[in-house]
Amino acid sequence: NAGVTQTPKFRVLKTGQSMTLLCAQDMNHEYMYWYRQDPGMGLRLIHYSVGEGTTAKGEVPDGYNVSRLKKQNFLLGLESAAPSQTSVYFCASSYASGGPQGEQFFGPGTRLTVL
Amino acid sequence: QQPVQSPQAVILREGEDAVINCSSSKALYSVHWYRQKHGEAPVFLMILLKGGEQMRHEKISASFNEKKQQSSLYLTASQLSYSGTYFCGTGLQGAQKLVFGQGTRLTINP
Repeated sequence: NAGVTQTPKFRVLKTGQSMTLLCAQDMNHEYMYWYRQDPGMGLRLIHYSVGEGTTAKGEVPDGYNVSRLKKQNFLLGLESAAPSQTSVYFCASSYASGGPQGEQFFGPGTRLTVL
Repeated sequence: QQPVQSPQAVILREGEDAVINCSSSKALYSVHWYRQKHGEAPVFLMILLKGGEQMRHEKISASFNEKKQQSSLYLTASQLSYSGTYFCGTGLQGAQKLVFGQGTRLTINP
């Protein structure tokens, strides 16, 4: 099993450009999450999904959109990138049996720089 | 509301003990602990649930004080491999997500 994978690993954007980050998991997990990590701020939840076709806002959703069309994939979109969105983005997933507060499995991260 | 971790950073010599605390202003249902090494993804250590027992992962253990809404992570006889940043994640009853603390950076020197 590959676990949780993220594409791309690195990306540099110019202000105003758009992009989509892809998260894929092969563990048949029900719950999926997108976090951003900035120095000294810990992990902050952007959006999350409790099942295929569902999404919900987290702590810092502004400037981002998400979609969960397939159970194994969770996409994070930036419509018009801003320098404040420079960060490391982590995707995570967890089992349904563990409930939404069960163990989370993290992907390797995407390092995004917006110039 | 984000839980507060203390201390923010700690430096130890190999073999010494450390305690990391995680405090919340809200009534918690669960507390997670994760460790992240530099440039890597966070890795799960353990979950503590309201009314549950103290947990242990190798020489790392944790407790959950429901009255104080505080969890403590105990690292005994620290090893070089324990270096990294430790995060607590807290969950409320019925919540569908966790809120993570700002992290505690642990450095173990030989």
